[in-house]
Amino acid sequence: DQQVKQNSPSLSVQEGRISILNCDYTNSMFDYFLWYKKYPAEGPTFLISISSIKDKNEDGRFTVFLNKSAKHLSLHIVPSQPGDSAVYFCAADNAGNNRKLIWGLGTSLAVNP
Amino acid sequence: NAGVTQTPKFQVLKTGQSMTLQCAQDMNHEYMSWYRQDPGMGLRLIHYSVGAGITDQGEVPNGYNVSRSTTEDFPLRLLSAAPSQTSVYFCASSRGVWNTEAFFGQGTRLTVV
Repeated sequence: DQQVKQNSPSLSVQEGRISILNCDYTNSMFDYFLWYKKYPAEGPTFLISISSIKDKNEDGRFTVFLNKSAKHLSLHIVPSQPGDSAVYFCAADNAGNNRKLIWGLGTSLAVNP
Repeated sequence: NAGVTQTPKFQVLKTGQSMTLQCAQDMNHEYMSWYRQDPGMGLRLIHYSVGAGITDQGEVPNGYNVSRSTTEDFPLRLLSAAPSQTSVYFCASSRGVWNTEAFFGQGTRLTVV
């Protein structure tokens, strides 16, 4: 029973265009969401996060949007660069669950030159 | 800065053997955790620790032991390796318990034959 779902296993975009990665969740108790990026043979690295009291957080080329009523968040990368090619994981944090992050299965992004 | 260091990077074990995966962090983080990543399963929490001397179970603790005698180190012990424990293991640390980004090690690829 996936509480955090990334329904697109892969995504391919052209360099310079926008990449949109989606994440849906089922548990309304989740109150903090994080995106991680992972290159092959490396550990995940933190990218951006958002608290449930916000609906948008921006950091350079990366913006995360949260729609609580739809239990949906998305990561926008603008403009996309070949170095962004990686697997992106969405993770959700239930503050009442002692920091046990729940992870999606990831979306593999390929940015083509 | 070393960050989170995991050793070894690769390991092959025979069924029934025991071993310890090492994890050390130099950021003085209180919170440390162990995950395993399997195809189609995402990242799953094995054990975690909120400080020296305190450990607790995650989602998939069976077959693994941990201890936290110092803030820096959080070893993961496989008591009697089984083929089902073939996986990539990641250690992570974070500054606090709530809503803070986690820093990951590079991972240990373990194969049990």
